[in-house]
Amino acid sequence: AQSVAQPEDQVNVAEGNPLTVKCTYSVSGNPYLFWYVQYPNRGLQFLLKYITGDNLVKGSYGFEAEFNKSQTSFHLKKPSALVSDSALYFCAVRDANYGQNFVFGPGTRLSVLP
Amino acid sequence: SAVISQKPSRDICQRGTSLTIQCQVDSQVTMMFWYRQQPGQSLTLIATANQGSEATYESGFVIDKFPISRPNLTFSTLTVSNMSPEDSSIYLCSVGGILNEQFFGPGTRLTVL
Repeated sequence: AQSVAQPEDQVNVAEGNPLTVKCTYSVSGNPYLFWYVQYPNRGLQFLLKYITGDNLVKGSYGFEAEFNKSQTSFHLKKPSALVSDSALYFCAVRDANYGQNFVFGPGTRLSVLP
Repeated sequence: SAVISQKPSRDICQRGTSLTIQCQVDSQVTMMFWYRQQPGQSLTLIATANQGSEATYESGFVIDKFPISRPNLTFSTLTVSNMSPEDSSIYLCSVGGILNEQFFGPGTRLTVL
C-alpha cells in the first residue's frame, strides 16, 4: 500500500532564507510524486511532480523538489522564501502500477516570517 | 490544466438532512475523484467516478452515505446523506491530468449542526 509521511507539522523560516519541506514515501512499484499547496479557503494548487527523468524537478512559483530513490524522499525546496509562500503544503504519491489513486501526506504548514 | 468549479462553495446544514455538491469541468474527462478534508486533516479519497459506470468507493465509504452521479464527461455530483456533525469537512472534486497530475476544484465547505 502507498503511504506518505511529512515529518514536520510546521516549518518556520525567515523571508529571504531557503526553505525545505520534507516528504518521504512508500510504494511497492514506481512512484509518481507530487506537491500541492493550499492557501486559506482555497482548493489545492498543483506545484510540481516527478514522474521519470531528472531527479530535480522545477515547478511553479520558484519551487523545486528532488527525488531521492535510495532515501525514498521528495523534499520541496525554494532558494529564497517569500511571505506569500505561507500556506499548507501537501506531498502526494501515486503508485504507477495501481491506477490513478493518490495518497496524500498529512500536510506541513509553512510560515514565512517577515 | 482543467478549470473546475464546485457548487455550493459552502453550506450550513442541519443534522439528518442531505446535501448535493456539484462539480463542473471545462473539458471532457474520463475520471473524476471526490475527496474529503476533515478539519485540520489531509485529503482522503472517497470515490472515483467514471462516466457510464458505478463509482468505485474507498474503504470506509459507502454508496448509501455518499451517492455519486456521473451523467456525462464534464459533470459529477456527490451527495452527503443523513448528515451528522462528523460530516463537517471540505469536499473537493478533482480530475486527472494528461500527464498524471490531478487538478482540484475550490472545494465545498460543509458545516453540519
